[in-house]
Amino acid sequence: DAGVTQSPTHLIKTRGQQVTLRCSPKSGHDTVSWYQQALGQGPQFIFQYYEEEERQRGNFPDRFSGHQFPNYSSELNVNALLLGDSALYLCASSFLGTSGTEAFFGQGTRLTVV
Amino acid sequence: KNQVEQSPQSLIILEGKNCTLQCNYTVSPFSNLRWYKQDTGRGPVSLTIMTFSENTKSNGRYTATLDADTKQSSLHITASQLSDSASYICVVSADTGGFKTIFGAGTRLFVKA
Repeated sequence: DAGVTQSPTHLIKTRGQQVTLRCSPKSGHDTVSWYQQALGQGPQFIFQYYEEEERQRGNFPDRFSGHQFPNYSSELNVNALLLGDSALYLCASSFLGTSGTEAFFGQGTRLTVV
Repeated sequence: KNQVEQSPQSLIILEGKNCTLQCNYTVSPFSNLRWYKQDTGRGPVSLTIMTFSENTKSNGRYTATLDADTKQSSLHITASQLSDSASYICVVSADTGGFKTIFGAGTRLFVKA
């Protein structure tokens, strides 16, 4: 059983460009959450997708958008990249049965904006 | 305001020694608390998860405690190994109908030979 998989693992983009990150959840999970983790900091919640809709959103600008597909996989899109968007982007999947359900994380995508 | 505060920010210990990491939270209404281990540049891996009624939970050499009254948790690592060098992140979830998850900044642990 594959866990949460993210692609690509590393990415370098130029300021002003757009980027798409991808996440496949763990088998049996229906909810995907995205986090941004700056160096030396804890992950910051971006948004959560369930049933192909954004259910919750953290304090991130509209430049950050996402999508969830019928197979529960998800994409994170960031437009007009800024240098400050450089971070490790983590995807976590869970089953929206109870809030006690454990979330499994992918290995992350390291985005560098130059 | 929902917050999770961890201490110390970083810690250096010798291999074989024990250590305790602290987590204080103000998240409400409380649903559960999890400790994750995160190796540099990798995704967090779950160590323990505790709900309101649980006071202690162990996972090998890792033992987590929870005091829901004082809103404090600790993670105790016994007989540390070099591979324990990582960031340890406390994560608290609030049951707000769509549940909200707050991450601490983490404690960076360095285990030296």
